[in-house]
Amino acid sequence: GNSVTQMEGPVTLSEEAFLTINCTYTATGYPSLFWYVQYPGEGLQLLLKATKADDKGSNKGFEATYRKETTSFHLEKGSVQVSDSAVYFCALLHGGSQGNLIFGKGTKLSVKP
Amino acid sequence: GAGVSQSPSNKVTEKGKDVELRCDPISGHTALYWYRQSLGQGLEFLIYFQGNSAPDKSGLPSDRFSAERTGGSVSTLTIQRTQQEDSAVYLCASSPTWAGHQETQYFGPGTRLLVL
Repeated sequence: GNSVTQMEGPVTLSEEAFLTINCTYTATGYPSLFWYVQYPGEGLQLLLKATKADDKGSNKGFEATYRKETTSFHLEKGSVQVSDSAVYFCALLHGGSQGNLIFGKGTKLSVKP
Repeated sequence: GAGVSQSPSNKVTEKGKDVELRCDPISGHTALYWYRQSLGQGLEFLIYFQGNSAPDKSGLPSDRFSAERTGGSVSTLTIQRTQQEDSAVYLCASSPTWAGHQETQYFGPGTRLLVL
C-alpha cells in the first residue's frame, strides 16, 4: 500500500544551520507530494507541494524536489531560524487526483539561537 | 476569509459516553476530511466526503465511529461508547475541487478529545 517514511526526530540545530529532513514514499501511480508544518499550539499548514516528477516546491526559504527515481521528497532550508521550530510532516495524496493524505510520522525541529 | 473551524476545541468525557465533534469547512469547498492525530499513531485518515458522492469510510477504526455531512457543508463526527484509546486530536480539513482534481487541503485547529 501507499506509505510515507520520514526521518525520526527530534532534530536540534543552531540558528543559520542547514536543514535537511528526509522523506521517501511508496505509492502506486503518480501521487502528489506535500510538506505540512505544525507550529507550537497551531494547526497544520501547507508549507509546499509538488504534483509531478522533477517539480520543485518552495516557500519561506524551504524547498523540496519530487524525485521519482529515488521516490523521495526531501525538505531543505539553507539557513534556519528560531521561528522555524515546529513539527514537519511529509505527505502524499492517495488516490491520484482525489483522495486522502497519507502522512509520515512527523519530525520535530528545534532551532536554538 | 474564514478558515476551517471546529468545535469544541477541547472535550473531556468518560469512557462509554458518546461524543459529537463538529467541523465547518471553508465555504465552497466540496471535499471534507477527518483525520486523527495521536502520539502513538501519528496522523491517520478517518473519512472523506466529496460532493454528493458516498463517503470513503475506509479509515474509520471501528463501527463506533461514524460521520455525516449535511447539505454538503457542516460535518459531524460521532464516536459512540468512547474508549480511552480514542483520546487524540481530531482534525478536519477541506479542499476545493477543480476539473475533478483536488486542490490543497486546509486544516482546522482540531478538537482535543480526552477519554477518562
